[in-house]
Amino acid sequence: QKEVEQDPGPLSVPEGAIVSLNCTYSNSAFQYFMWYRQYSRKGPELLMYTYSSGNKEDGRFTAQVDKSSKYISLFIRDSQPSDSATYLCAMSAPKAAGNKLTFGGGTRVLVKP
Amino acid sequence: SAVISQKPSRDICQRGTSLTIQCQVDSQVTMMFWYRQQPGQSLTLIATANQGSEATYESGFVIDKFPISRPNLTFSTLTVSNMSPEDSSIYLCSVEVSGDQPQHFGDGTRLSIL
Repeated sequence: QKEVEQDPGPLSVPEGAIVSLNCTYSNSAFQYFMWYRQYSRKGPELLMYTYSSGNKEDGRFTAQVDKSSKYISLFIRDSQPSDSATYLCAMSAPKAAGNKLTFGGGTRVLVKP
Repeated sequence: SAVISQKPSRDICQRGTSLTIQCQVDSQVTMMFWYRQQPGQSLTLIATANQGSEATYESGFVIDKFPISRPNLTFSTLTVSNMSPEDSSIYLCSVEVSGDQPQHFGDGTRLSIL
């Protein structure tokens, strides 16, 4: 079983809809949680960075972390065709344990005009 | 965030040859990393590039195959040695600007081996 599980999609939604993405993980040592967006032929771009449990909002993006359930989510409101990309969740343990990021497999999202 | 430049952006190489990939950052960073992203897959950490000392490799990756240098706080290289078609991947450099910041990535080097 992978340490981080993420549905590969593709997830197809109409423009303006809410996109809901999630990852589950098994390592209880993970405390830092990230979401990256990756366009074709580009590197991953950091969208959200959260520590421990709770919610964080940045514009149209909301990240949620539920450590008790080992479950993280990313919501994209008012989705646009430009949001079509692969979304990667990533997580890491405290810095003292190293800086290694463990990634989910990525979810392809397609927002249709 | 730091601006990360990778060279080359892509290359097509012959089996058995080696290629060195460069990663240049526009400011000093604490940590530099090298990842591999195989076609249709997610990212796997190859190694942490340590300034002034040998890189720290993850399980399944060895120095003879992936020698890494980091001569200063803004530059690192990854060499893919004795390449085979299985090495066809995207190789990505990432950096941590400071200890409490997340990693940021370059656009990667797309490598194809014939």
